[in-house]
Amino acid sequence: DAKTTQPPSMDCAEGRAANLPCNHSTISGNEYVYWYRQIHSQGPQYIIHGLKNNETNEMASLIITEDRKSSTLILPHATLRDTAVYYCIVRVARGNTGTASKLTFGTGTRLQVTL
Amino acid sequence: GAVVSQHPSRVICKSGTSVKIECRSLDFQATTMFWYRQFPKQSLMLMATSNEGSKATYEQGVEKDKFLINHASLTLSTLTVTSAHPEDSSFYICSARSGSDNEQYFGPGTRLTVT
Repeated sequence: DAKTTQPPSMDCAEGRAANLPCNHSTISGNEYVYWYRQIHSQGPQYIIHGLKNNETNEMASLIITEDRKSSTLILPHATLRDTAVYYCIVRVARGNTGTASKLTFGTGTRLQVTL
Repeated sequence: GAVVSQHPSRVICKSGTSVKIECRSLDFQATTMFWYRQFPKQSLMLMATSNEGSKATYEQGVEKDKFLINHASLTLSTLTVTSAHPEDSSFYICSARSGSDNEQYFGPGTRLTVT
């Protein structure tokens, strides 16, 4: 699976949008971009994933550049409860065997939401 | 969404003893389960992948005789840390992949402290 690069930390004021970037310049055509987050001392929580189109759900929006070499996770109105480590992962969602490749975590971005 | 549970959430054991951690998929069948380990201020590291009814596949550097994994049913996998030592103290997280949507869902983690 392709590697990803994320800034180690970011701050965001409560109520503002948090924009978390991720570079994945070696992404392959069949690899998806996944975002998970981990709140302190909890298991990772799935946020969103996409292939090439922008995606939105109740938690966040995912913007993928046209060349797919980078993406941005947007939390539209960050709250204190969004303080967590955010992981950007690229993986094959359904490979030749019909199964997805395993999730490999990098160092992520530590997002601190402040008052 | 799919729910994965772990038991216990916290365990303290004496050096030299063994401890078993259970991972259950509560509302779906998991053909594949993953075990991760996370040391303080570090990312999740994949330890092993297990498929129901077959032997687990361990990542490089993980001792299979020390970390025994059993995946006897489609809803239960266990990790047994044998002859635990203080350096095995860590946060252990399991993840289950649903056969229906191919996504990975994470448990809440188990904090192991070896004294």
